[in-house]
Amino acid sequence: DTEVTQTPKHLVMGMTNKKSLKCEQHMGHRAMYWYKQKAKKPPELMFVYSYEKLSINESVPSRFSPECPNSSLLNLHLHALQPEDSALYLCASSQDWVGPNNEQFFGPGTRLTVL
Amino acid sequence: AQKITQTQPGMFVQEKEAVTLDCTYDTSDQSYGLFWYKQPSSGEMIFLIYQGSYDEQNATEGRYSLNFQKARKSANLVISASQLGDSAMYFCAMRVTYGNNRLAFGKGNQVVVIP
Repeated sequence: DTEVTQTPKHLVMGMTNKKSLKCEQHMGHRAMYWYKQKAKKPPELMFVYSYEKLSINESVPSRFSPECPNSSLLNLHLHALQPEDSALYLCASSQDWVGPNNEQFFGPGTRLTVL
Repeated sequence: AQKITQTQPGMFVQEKEAVTLDCTYDTSDQSYGLFWYKQPSSGEMIFLIYQGSYDEQNATEGRYSLNFQKARKSANLVISASQLGDSAMYFCAMRVTYGNNRLAFGKGNQVVVIP
């Protein structure tokens, strides 16, 4: 099983809403990632979890709150977002955060629209 | 810091022809990995191929091959016998093995395969 799953596929939310994005992998990977991608641009790293602990926060605004309940699950809690936060949010996982050959496998993404 | 350069404009490719996507990189590290990802309009980032900096042979995966020229710091992707399903954005990415473990992406190449 080389699949990373993400739910929901699409999400429309108002600026006062609270919502969550979910990501799951069953490859035994110890590193999981959240990326934000705007149209026609490469993905931008937001957060990295390694062994269920937050390793990297790329100065992401606090309205984005990551959570790693266990080694297979990664959530991104959203609150009081702005229209400019509308983007494709990609989850990825890799065997490890450090060391060689750590190709990242991505999920299908959640297309978020903030009204 | 690593830098990835993909400068080709959008490309139209005839079905069944081969296409080469250019990628150059810049790093002072000796140990690193190079990756190519495909992103169709659906949004999922699909891992295609990996080349390690110490690998002596060019990587191949089915119709994908990586033309690795270490001295020139280039890692071009070759897609043989293009298919309509190859229409997508293609991203070159790089990650050093030790130190800054972030995956650095190029800006991407848009490929459209025409029948």
